Amino acid sequence: NAGVTQTPKFQVLKTGQSMTLQCAQDMNHNSMYWYRQDPGMGLRLIYYSASEGTTDKGEVPNGYNVSRLNKREFSLRLESAAPSQTSVYFCASSDGATATNEKLFFGSGTQLSVL
Amino acid sequence: AQRVTQPEKLLSVFKGAPVELKCNYSYSGSPELFWYVQYSRQRLQLLLRHISRESIKGFTADLNKGETSFHLKKPFAQEEDSAMYYCALRDSWGKFQFGAGTQVVVTP
Repeated sequence: NAGVTQTPKFQVLKTGQSMTLQCAQDMNHNSMYWYRQDPGMGLRLIYYSASEGTTDKGEVPNGYNVSRLNKREFSLRLESAAPSQTSVYFCASSDGATATNEKLFFGSGTQLSVL
Repeated sequence: AQRVTQPEKLLSVFKGAPVELKCNYSYSGSPELFWYVQYSRQRLQLLLRHISRESIKGFTADLNKGETSFHLKKPFAQEEDSAMYYCALRDSWGKFQFGAGTQVVVTP
């Protein structure tokens, strides 16, 4: 039972390079999220997808793009990486259905360094 | 705008002592509040949610709408409680917003 799978686990980029972080979930969840985790800032929402075919900006979307490829997959792209994007990135998913059942399931994270 | 505030970045307590992690929120609607925990080398996971009114691993949290707070409490801290704790609010569109987190260190 894989849950939420993120790849890669670690990545080092040079300023200006591009890359895509991949995320897939096997729980048939409707909603998927991308967060970044920075010391003292907690988890900040980058982008959110309530359902297949829809995406919405979170608190810190600048410098990122997302694609909800299908119900399972939600990718995060950095078109031109900057040192300020050095962070740990988490993908998460949730059923998005009823309040009593709602909770987030997280991936194991991607540690990204931009030099 | 909605906001989740965790005023303590670090909380250091002795084993067996009570521990309380503060969380305050601002939200115009009816909030759904959660506590998530990240143990060392593990994934973030749900600890408890206000709607369930449950006690998990000895932790409880009460939603106080008058004080807009959702503080997490445990009467007797254990070493295995050492972790990063996040308070989170889910809005009416389904988005989860997290606080800055509180690192708890329980020393023997």
